[in-house]
Amino acid sequence: GAGVSQSPSNKVTEKGKDVELRCDPISGHTALYWYRQSLGQGLEFLIYFQGNSAPDKSGLPSDRFSAERTGGSVSTLTIQRTQQEDSAVYLCASSLAGTGVEETQYFGPGTRLLVL
Amino acid sequence: DQQVKQNSPSLSVQEGRISILNCDYTNSMFDYFLWYKKYPAEGPTFLISISSIKDKNEDGRFTVFLNKSAKHLSLHIVPSQPGDSAVYFCAAHRRYGNKLVFGAGTILRVKS
Repeated sequence: GAGVSQSPSNKVTEKGKDVELRCDPISGHTALYWYRQSLGQGLEFLIYFQGNSAPDKSGLPSDRFSAERTGGSVSTLTIQRTQQEDSAVYLCASSLAGTGVEETQYFGPGTRLLVL
Repeated sequence: DQQVKQNSPSLSVQEGRISILNCDYTNSMFDYFLWYKKYPAEGPTFLISISSIKDKNEDGRFTVFLNKSAKHLSLHIVPSQPGDSAVYFCAAHRRYGNKLVFGAGTILRVKS
């Protein structure tokens, strides 16, 4: 597609339930990133995938968070046993090569997660 | 420890005037800086970037200035238009790093 797409756009869940968020990066982009933006805060890095390399999970806030990237394209972010503090906008981004040298990341529209 | 700071939560400017958004950073390892614009219920949209080897980059109405010694960058929008009203995020990237570090954002309101 033309840009990064994410689904669902909105998700309301009950505390303790698991949720899955999906990201389709820009075609041809090998690097994929997940961020989240809590209310009134800037974007916070969660996880990074680059090709077949092991992902950088250093930003995941707890072991309830995990992510996969299948076939080097689509990624799924899973939050298990959701808590109210997980409520945020979850943003996915992709970049062409993930070289880390002056590379621009392009963002999707985000998934707004509300945990009741 | 907030490595990228946008100290002005909001800014209001008259249409046609200049908007100046500021950003400070603390990590001297950052070597690439970006500005993103975000409308409500949308993802951030890339606006303009600057490498640490430059002190200015211009793209149409948008110019970014970088002062490495002061660890400060600014985004100038001239002339400002009502459609520029949005949240503007400053972000920084370390060479060979794999994540952007964002400021908290500045809400820009351009009044017609």
